[in-house]
Amino acid sequence: GENVEQHPSTLSVQEGDSAVIKCTYSDSASNYFPWYKQELGKGPQLIIDIRSNVGEKKDQRIAVTLNKTAKHFSLHITETQPEDSAVYFCAAKGGDSGYSTLTFGKGTMLLVSP
Amino acid sequence: DARVTQTPRHKVTEMGQEVTMRCQPILGHNTVFWYRQTMMQGLELLAYFRNRAPLDDSGMPKDRFSAEMPDATLATLKIQPSEPRDSAVYFCASGLSLGGGPNTGELFFGEGSRLTVL
Repeated sequence: GENVEQHPSTLSVQEGDSAVIKCTYSDSASNYFPWYKQELGKGPQLIIDIRSNVGEKKDQRIAVTLNKTAKHFSLHITETQPEDSAVYFCAAKGGDSGYSTLTFGKGTMLLVSP
Repeated sequence: DARVTQTPRHKVTEMGQEVTMRCQPILGHNTVFWYRQTMMQGLELLAYFRNRAPLDDSGMPKDRFSAEMPDATLATLKIQPSEPRDSAVYFCASGLSLGGGPNTGELFFGEGSRLTVL
């Protein structure tokens, strides 16, 4: 099955700096890569996603890049703010099976200091 | 404001007791997922349903866990008997499956049920 590795496990930045979280996946047939943000005491919430036919996608201060050859994808947050502090999860949805499901990375705790 | 509703939010029980967690998916969604979150393992898929039919429960300990969807507005996850190692946060998520795949887009998570088994 799919295996998703996520790094780093924790990331501390100063407000205004950029943050980058990286993930690798194992199943070359995976075609959907979402990123979820989980705030304390809440469930994960989708913040951005990318499909395998696209190399990069941006939404205001966040962007995701995908390198299918290397089987890795990254989340970039620019001009970080304290409210960006949360746990971020990457995920990959396996291949061409009609019933494949999301496999999540272990998460990155992002701390943005004022 | 459509959202996934989970009950209870918190549950403390003793080893050996039965625990039932409930989930109301978003109206109109046709896929429902149960995940377990722990510090060590992260988010693990336990079971999922499409159009109320169970499609995959390979991540679930079969001897003590069971998942059902009695109707389109209710999904349940039951643990009997519970053990201390079951302590975790259990999330329900729902989504809309388009075409032939189980879920081609966003998953909406509930706020979770935090279970502590003493």
